[in-house]
Amino acid sequence: GAGVSQTPSNKVTEKGKYVELRCDPISGHTALYWYRQSLGQGPEFLIYFQGTGAADDSGLPNDRFFAVRPEGSVSTLKIQRTERGDSAVYLCASSLIGADGYTFGSGTRLTVV
Amino acid sequence: AQKITQTQPGMFVQEKEAVTLDCTYDTSDQSYGLFWYKQPSSGEMIFLIYQGSYDEQNATEGRYSLNFQKARKSANLVISASQLGDSAMYFCAMRVNNAGNMLTFGGGTRLMVKP
Repeated sequence: GAGVSQTPSNKVTEKGKYVELRCDPISGHTALYWYRQSLGQGPEFLIYFQGTGAADDSGLPNDRFFAVRPEGSVSTLKIQRTERGDSAVYLCASSLIGADGYTFGSGTRLTVV
Repeated sequence: AQKITQTQPGMFVQEKEAVTLDCTYDTSDQSYGLFWYKQPSSGEMIFLIYQGSYDEQNATEGRYSLNFQKARKSANLVISASQLGDSAMYFCAMRVNNAGNMLTFGGGTRLMVKP
């Protein structure tokens, strides 16, 4: 596609529920990143994929968070037993390995009530 | 660990004037890249400008320039001839080249352009 696509754009869920957030990167971009942006703050790194494998998942806050990229393209961020503190905008970005340019999606705004 | 500091939570600038947004960074690595992104109220992160740590000249992209002072570890963004459409959040970010490919962001500066 022309850009990084994230779906849904908005998600409201009840505390304790499971959610999946999807990221469709730019075609051919082998690197994919997930960030979380809380209100009034800068994005915080969660996880980075090179191809199908997670090259760095050091930013995942706890074991309720998990992400996959089974075919090296689309990625899904999965959050189990959601908590109100998980409410944030989840941003996805993609790039070519070694390139200086990162293209961000418009994000998924997750609200846990 | 890398850290980016943006000390100006909010800035006002008169339309058509220039404005400087401050960014300082902390890393012990010698090879790194510095980025500025614009985030309008719609939420997308728009890439503005990039400076590599070994680049000897300051980066420029149209009305944007990056005032890179390596010894002081600062990478301030200068926007010339401000326009109303420049009103947005601005984030400084850093990538350390031997510590993965991820960006570390600062807390951002909200720029408001007055007509």
